[in-house]
Amino acid sequence: EVQLVESGGGLVKPGGSLRLSCEVSGFTFSTYTMNWIRQAPGKGLEWVSSITGSSNYKYYIDSVKGRFTISRDNAKNSLYLQMNTLRADDTAIYYCARSSGSHDYWGQGTLVTVSS
Amino acid sequence: QSALTQPASVSGSPGQSITISCTGTSSDVGSYNLLSWYQHHPGKAPKLIIYEGNKRPSGVSNRFSGSKSGNTASLTISGLQAEDEAEYYCCSYAAGNTYVFGTGTKVAVL
Repeated sequence: EVQLVESGGGLVKPGGSLRLSCEVSGFTFSTYTMNWIRQAPGKGLEWVSSITGSSNYKYYIDSVKGRFTISRDNAKNSLYLQMNTLRADDTAIYYCARSSGSHDYWGQGTLVTVSS
Repeated sequence: QSALTQPASVSGSPGQSITISCTGTSSDVGSYNLLSWYQHHPGKAPKLIIYEGNKRPSGVSNRFSGSKSGNTASLTISGLQAEDEAEYYCCSYAAGNTYVFGTGTKVAVL
């Protein structure tokens, strides 16, 4: 059974940092592109970042470039999102999702709240 | 990276069919066949219901169908059921190896 479990969310002040993790099981992690997708309160889904299986390529939405860094550890079946210089508009539920053209498996999400 | 345009809400009675549109541009929906649809119940993980425009993953009801013409994609739910009440999002692969989601459509079963 495919499972994705996010962790690391919480309350952080503007300008602060947070590192999200996503631990996966049930498939060969290293062969899939992985993504972070978020949903701000009362808003729709927004793709944030993706990373290819071997970490050769990383992509970001413009609003997080230079502030967020996606990474993965295939030996640990884990995906990460290092978030720096956080802003109030980064407040959202952050989901990790497996990709094969479409996002076929998702985690339950972890809530990030940026507030003073 | 503007969101794809969807109607805010669509409603129907049980047993009826409804269609949700998803309008993008020639840089996303119009250029790629990687158009997918997701069903999202509050508090749960989004669920893939259509991929590559018109394909259903294993286990997804055949009451869900998708199509695409030019820069606009559509999701049709036939034989509407109470359990179909949820938020629905389209998503397209886009230029620059990115993805763009739709604005979301709330489906109400009357």
